[in-house]
Amino acid sequence: NAGVTQTPKFRILKIGQSMTLQCTQDMNHNYMYWYRQDPGMGLKLIYYSVGAGITDKGEVPNGYNVSRSTTEDFPLRLELAAPSQTSVYFCASSLRGEQYFGPGTRLTVT
Amino acid sequence: AQSVTQPDIHITVSEGASLELRCNYSYGATPYLFWYVQSPGQGLQLLLKYFSGDTLVQGIKGFEAEFKRSQSSFNLRKPSVHWSDAAEYFCAVGITGTASKLTFGTGTRLQVTL
Repeated sequence: NAGVTQTPKFRILKIGQSMTLQCTQDMNHNYMYWYRQDPGMGLKLIYYSVGAGITDKGEVPNGYNVSRSTTEDFPLRLELAAPSQTSVYFCASSLRGEQYFGPGTRLTVT
Repeated sequence: AQSVTQPDIHITVSEGASLELRCNYSYGATPYLFWYVQSPGQGLQLLLKYFSGDTLVQGIKGFEAEFKRSQSSFNLRKPSVHWSDAAEYFCAVGITGTASKLTFGTGTRLQVTL
């Protein structure tokens, strides 16, 4: 099993550009999550999903969108990138309360 | 809403010394509790978890943690630290019936001196 995979690993965006961060898990977990990690702030939940077709907002959803068409995939969309979205983004999936994390995507918006 | 406090932002210990990282949570009932470790440039790896039962839980890499309900704490310990333990450590709390969402503390960065 590859676990949770994320692409790309690094990306630089200009203000106003859009992009999609990809997340895939091969563990057949129903629950999936997107977090952002900023220095000294821990991890903040952006969006989560309890199954295909079901998503909900987390603590910091503004500026982001998600979709969940399959159990495996949970992409995160940034429509109009802003410098405040410079961060490291982690995707995770969960089984019985225990979350498994991907390696992260480091995004810089300039 | 639940919250997690890790009062130590940065801790430095000598290799071979013992370690205790503090974690306090705020929640009315008994939550699920976790410790994760993050090496530089990596994702988070689960060290150990507490759901119920024995309040002293053992994890990977020789770590253990003790749940103390009276103190709302879940401190992480290791009797002898190795240089490879240098990393950032996150405590997290989860609650049943909330889609297994976790609330994370702000982390403690551990530096190990040789």
